[in-house]
Amino acid sequence: DAGVTQSPTHLIKTRGQQVTLRCSPISGHKSVSWYQQVLGQGPQFIFQYYEKEERGRGNFPDRFSARQFPNYSSELNVNALLLGDSALYLCASPASSTDTQYFGPGTRLTVL
Amino acid sequence: GESVGLHLPTLSVQEGDNSIINCAYSNSASDYFIWYKQESGKGPQFIIDIRSNMDKRQGQRVTVLLNKTVKHLSLQIAATQPGDSAVYFCAETTGFQKLVFGTGTRLLVSP
Repeated sequence: DAGVTQSPTHLIKTRGQQVTLRCSPISGHKSVSWYQQVLGQGPQFIFQYYEKEERGRGNFPDRFSARQFPNYSSELNVNALLLGDSALYLCASPASSTDTQYFGPGTRLTVL
Repeated sequence: GESVGLHLPTLSVQEGDNSIINCAYSNSASDYFIWYKQESGKGPQFIIDIRSNMDKRQGQRVTVLLNKTVKHLSLQIAATQPGDSAVYFCAETTGFQKLVFGTGTRLLVSP
């Protein structure tokens, strides 16, 4: 039974570029959440999607956007990258009958 | 705003000792709390959770205590092993499964 998967594992971009990160939730689960974790800090909530609809948004600029597909996988897009966007981007999927969120391995984004 | 914080940024223990990691939360409306373990370069790994209608929950070598009166959460690890070395986060939910994390406590276990 596959857990949360994310791709790519690592990514290097330059300032001003755009990036797309991908996530597949636990099989059959309809909700996906995205978090940003800057080095040395705890994860910060970015978005939550449930059945293709945005259910929550954290305090992030409009350069950050996301969407969820009919198969419940999700993409996180970040435009006009800044150096401060360098972080580990985490995707989480809740268990079916509890609030527990299980995290994927993350995508390490480095902006030069 | 809501926040979850940790008292100790680094905790150093000897192998075999019991470890206690503490966490304070500020949102009295939170009703669900989770402890995660994160090793370098990896995503957070679920350890144990507790709902606000409980004050104690035990797992394998781990126990979580919740004191709602003072808004305090703790994680106890029995017989700490070198493999327990990691950063530990507590997190609380604030609706719609959004998690609010603290900054983490680094646990260092010496053989």
